[in-house]
Amino acid sequence: GAVVSQHPSWVICKSGTSVKIECRSLDFQATTMFWYRQFPKQSLMLMATSNEGSKATYEQGVEKDKFLINHASLTLSTLTVTSAHPEDSSFYICSARDSRGFSTGELFFGEGSRLTVL
Amino acid sequence: AQSVTQPDIHITVSEGASLELRCNYSYGATPYLFWYVQSPGQGLQLLLKYFSGDTLVQGIKGFEAEFKRSQSSFNLRKPSVHWSDAAEYFCAVGPYATGTASKLTFGTGTRLQVTL
Repeated sequence: GAVVSQHPSWVICKSGTSVKIECRSLDFQATTMFWYRQFPKQSLMLMATSNEGSKATYEQGVEKDKFLINHASLTLSTLTVTSAHPEDSSFYICSARDSRGFSTGELFFGEGSRLTVL
Repeated sequence: AQSVTQPDIHITVSEGASLELRCNYSYGATPYLFWYVQSPGQGLQLLLKYFSGDTLVQGIKGFEAEFKRSQSSFNLRKPSVHWSDAAEYFCAVGPYATGTASKLTFGTGTRLQVTL
C-alpha cells in the first residue's frame, strides 16, 4: 500500500516557540492531505484540509493563524504550530489520498507526531 | 451531517475468542465505510472498506465486516482473536464521491484488550 511519512515522530518544545511537522507521501502524489489532532484516548478530530498550491481549509473552531499549513508540492504538506502552549500538546496525524484513485476513497495515514509543550 | 457511533469504549476478550465491534453511522447518501486500527503511538492502518457490492467484506489480519443498510451498521468481526490484535479500532464514514478529496468522519474508537 501507499506510504505516508511524518516527521518528527515526537517533539518537545518550550512554550512560545513554533514547531513544524512534515507529512510526506513517499510513493504517490497527493493533491490533498488532511491534518488530524488526537487527544489521549479520544478519536481523531479533523483540523484542516491541505490543498496543494492553494490555501488550506480549516474546520470550525481551528485557529488558522495558530496552525499554519503549507502544501507546497504534491508530496509534502507541513503543519506549523505557532507560539505553542501546553494546551497544544497532542498527537497530530496526517493522511493523504492518492490523486490517481479518487474513487477508492481510502486514506493513508502517517505514523503521527506527538507534540509536548513544556 | 454524517456521524459515526461506536457504542463500546472498551472491550476485553480472551485470546482465541470471537470478536465483534459495533459501528453505527448516520449518512444521507451512499456511505463509504472503513475500519482502521491504531496501535499505541502509531498512525492508523486500514483493515477494510466498503462502498458497494457484497455486504460482507474481508479485510487484513482475518477481520471482516458486514454492512447492514437497514440497521445503519457496519460491525467488525473476527472469529478468533490473537493477543496482537489488542489496539484501538476506529470506524469511519465518508461520501462515495469520485474526483474529490472528501473528508472522513471517525467514531470515538473502541479499545480492545486481549487476555491470555
